[in-house]
Amino acid sequence: AQKVTQAQTEISVVEKEDVTLDCVYETRDTTYYLFWYKQPPSGELVFLIRRNSFDEQNEISGRYSWNFQKSTSSFNFTITASQVVDSAVYFCALMFSGAGSYQLTFGKGTKLSVIP
Amino acid sequence: DVKVTQSSRYLVKRTGEKVFLECVQDMDHENMFWYRQDPGLGLRLIYFSYDVKMKEKGDIPEGYSVSREKKERFSLILESASTNQTSMYLCASSLRGTRAYEQYFGPGTRLTVT
Repeated sequence: AQKVTQAQTEISVVEKEDVTLDCVYETRDTTYYLFWYKQPPSGELVFLIRRNSFDEQNEISGRYSWNFQKSTSSFNFTITASQVVDSAVYFCALMFSGAGSYQLTFGKGTKLSVIP
Repeated sequence: DVKVTQSSRYLVKRTGEKVFLECVQDMDHENMFWYRQDPGLGLRLIYFSYDVKMKEKGDIPEGYSVSREKKERFSLILESASTNQTSMYLCASSLRGTRAYEQYFGPGTRLTVT
């Protein structure tokens, strides 16, 4: 069975602070994909990143960076110099590659509040 | 840009009513999904479809059915709405193939059953 755990339910930071959102996953599959989505107050989930299980390179995109470590089954997300617009609920998700079945298992989300 | 639209942002129905939630995508995606989102529970998959007239149960299909008569449209049906189906419903679509593609989400329908 697949499982995604986001232990942090809510985080509050002051603007310009760095913040890391944790994600730990469980799967028995050797081929899988990890995702992060952002859900701003408007409600629509926005795709941020996809990582496959064979690519452990960390990725940086502007103020966002992701640290994928298979040894600890973690895929953490860091926002550098946070801004008020980063306030949202962030979801980590796991997908396995089966015969045409591409289901996402989501974590319960972390609500990030950036205080001006 | 991929666009996934849902028929209503807010909906209020009475217990026992039959409820239809519609979802349309304009990117010729093969896969379509229905999730419900509840506080503290995250997103849970209700049903998905990987082709016209094809459907698969997700994690919580009880009390729901779906219909996919056209590739771009995926409907979620609550045969007899109950108060425990009050929730935010999210539709998503994605490509199908040898790679796992990201899912694109609609804005959601907040359903209240009274």
